[in-house]
Amino acid sequence: AQSVAQPEDQVNVAEGNPLTVKCTYSVSGNPYLFWYVQYPNRGLQFLLKYITGDNLVKGSYGFEAEFNKSQTSFHLKKPSALVSDSALYFCAVRDIRGNNRLAFGKGNQVVVIP
Amino acid sequence: NAGVTQTPKFRVLKTGQSMTLLCAQDMNHEYMYWYRQDPGMGLRLIHYSVGEGTTAKGEVPDGYNVSRLKKQNFLLGLESAAPSQTSVYFCASTSRGRSGSYEQYFGPGTRLTVT
Repeated sequence: AQSVAQPEDQVNVAEGNPLTVKCTYSVSGNPYLFWYVQYPNRGLQFLLKYITGDNLVKGSYGFEAEFNKSQTSFHLKKPSALVSDSALYFCAVRDIRGNNRLAFGKGNQVVVIP
Repeated sequence: NAGVTQTPKFRVLKTGQSMTLLCAQDMNHEYMYWYRQDPGMGLRLIHYSVGEGTTAKGEVPDGYNVSRLKKQNFLLGLESAAPSQTSVYFCASTSRGRSGSYEQYFGPGTRLTVT
């Protein structure tokens, strides 16, 4: 079955430093991968997706993600973190059983320290 | 466009009580989903619908029922609430994906406490 893993529970980073949130996937066939962000007491907001094409995907709020087929990874990155980036980040993969179902990782809490 | 809306935002129930959560979307999406979010467990799919009049079970359907009588609405029901159903519930919707837009759009959530 397809799944994603987010190996770190929490990522702490100083403001202005690069931010990386890790995600690895396990999928039969070509993966459709997504990143979402959840701010406190809010719903999930879509950041970016990889369906096909360039391995480097650019998304909202200055985030980007790199699809790496050989390492089965889809890490989320931001060159310079802001305090306002502190949130919960979810990686997800499209379920091959169809109906546009998504399988989500457990989430990563990102804390940006001023 | 309001996107995906959910009512109510908060609710406290006693064990054994029933309630219905309402989700509405104004994007003409075919697919709609109900998830629950619990700490350290990510989002788990409860039920989903691929169109008006259809529903299907997700990974954690026990104790819940759903209905999709209109394309824009997706209702989640708890017939006899249990403390294990204390959670934050999210509704989401997406299109059929003809244009490659497979991402789901989420509502703001309903925080449910069962005592």
